[in-house]
Amino acid sequence: LAKTTQPISMDSYEGQEVNITCSHNNIATNDYITWYQQFPSQGPRFIIQGYKTKVTNEVASLFIPADRKSSTLSLPRVSLSDTAVYYCLVGDALSNTGKLIFGQGTTLQVKP
Amino acid sequence: GAVVSQHPSRVICKSGTSVKIECRSLDFQATTMFWYRQFPKQSLMLMATSNEGSKATYEQGVEKDKFLINHASLTLSTLTVTSAHPEDSSFYICSGRHRDRVSGANVLTFGAGSRLTVL
Repeated sequence: LAKTTQPISMDSYEGQEVNITCSHNNIATNDYITWYQQFPSQGPRFIIQGYKTKVTNEVASLFIPADRKSSTLSLPRVSLSDTAVYYCLVGDALSNTGKLIFGQGTTLQVKP
Repeated sequence: GAVVSQHPSRVICKSGTSVKIECRSLDFQATTMFWYRQFPKQSLMLMATSNEGSKATYEQGVEKDKFLINHASLTLSTLTVTSAHPEDSSFYICSGRHRDRVSGANVLTFGAGSRLTVL
């Protein structure tokens, strides 16, 4: 299972763009990169998933370079409600036998 | 979108009693469900993988006789904490695996979690 490394914490201000980078040097060919958001005392919530290049949805963008050894979650114009822990997970998302192991996550604090 | 319902959200029990937590996938069939536990200010720790109709696979260090997992149908998995003790107090979270409509790859949808307090 590919191990991920993220910054422990980040601070930002409302209205700014936030980029959280995740390193996964041992990513395997079949591994996808998935980001989850977790608020205190709640289950994690799916944000975005990608395999290569760039993926964008209504809440975030995910940038993956050609070597796939890292990825960057981009949150445009954050608000106070984006204060949460963000987890980057890497795993075989095509197999029905894979499992996802959570790393430490990045605690994002958005300030007014 | 996919929804996982988890109950109860909070439970307080006496030491030595057993507690059952239910996890239901409401609009998809979850062949596989995962159970995690989370201590304050820590990340989620995978406890076990639950497959419909077969025995759960437990992670190293997780006692299978203490944390009983049953996955009798494609929409229901249960975790029973047997003979609970104060050190079992934690936040337990289940998740169901399904295909994402956009990427076609598997993603997890999580329940809201169950806060267990053992007195």
